[in-house]
Amino acid sequence: GAVVSQHPSWVICKSGTSVKIECRSLDFQATTMFWYRQFPKQSLMLMATSNEGSKATYEQGVEKDKFLINHASLTLSTLTVTSAHPEDSSFYICSARPPLIGGRGFTNEKLFFGSGTQLSVL
Amino acid sequence: QKEVEQNSGPLSVPEGAIASLNCTYSDRVSQSFFWYRQYSGKSPELIMSIYSNGDKEDGRFTAQLNKASQYVSLLIRDSQPSDSATYLCAVKPYSSASKIIFGSGTRLSIRP
Repeated sequence: GAVVSQHPSWVICKSGTSVKIECRSLDFQATTMFWYRQFPKQSLMLMATSNEGSKATYEQGVEKDKFLINHASLTLSTLTVTSAHPEDSSFYICSARPPLIGGRGFTNEKLFFGSGTQLSVL
Repeated sequence: QKEVEQNSGPLSVPEGAIASLNCTYSDRVSQSFFWYRQYSGKSPELIMSIYSNGDKEDGRFTAQLNKASQYVSLLIRDSQPSDSATYLCAVKPYSSASKIIFGSGTRLSIRP
């Protein structure tokens, strides 16, 4: 199956610092990647859709100036949590979808997830 | 109303029995449905995808889709302790070009 690599797997930082998380698709090109956040015992909440070569699309309530997304190549998207605060502590997960087969159909829409990044802000 | 709803559980099932997980969704014209398994502290892992009404079987797992009733379920036969995890139902709304909406997940516990 498709492989998505996410780094780092965990990070501890002081309040006010910025943290960058990388997401790479290792064996396919991903024009679109997704960033999710998950608080303990809660589901994945989509934060933003990262589009290669263009601006990310943020979900309602997600601060685009705080969560900077860069998708500069077809295999790499980064999420930077700027001026992190304790309430930003969460499990951040990226995902990507291999190219659709047969054009714009409803098949082959499986998401493959990175291993996640546990962020703890002190 | 949440777009994708699941019972949070925990659902406790004896080893060897059938575990039944249910999910309902609000977008009537959704076309793509997925079940993911997530172990604590790990990222989700795709188990099944289903696109048409009816049953789809893969090993011990069977996904069932009923678009008229807007529900999708996952059956796990011969449950094993290693099946203990949170199971996330995910739906791709018709209106969405790419994003997938997740339910809150059902915690499944298989007791030996």
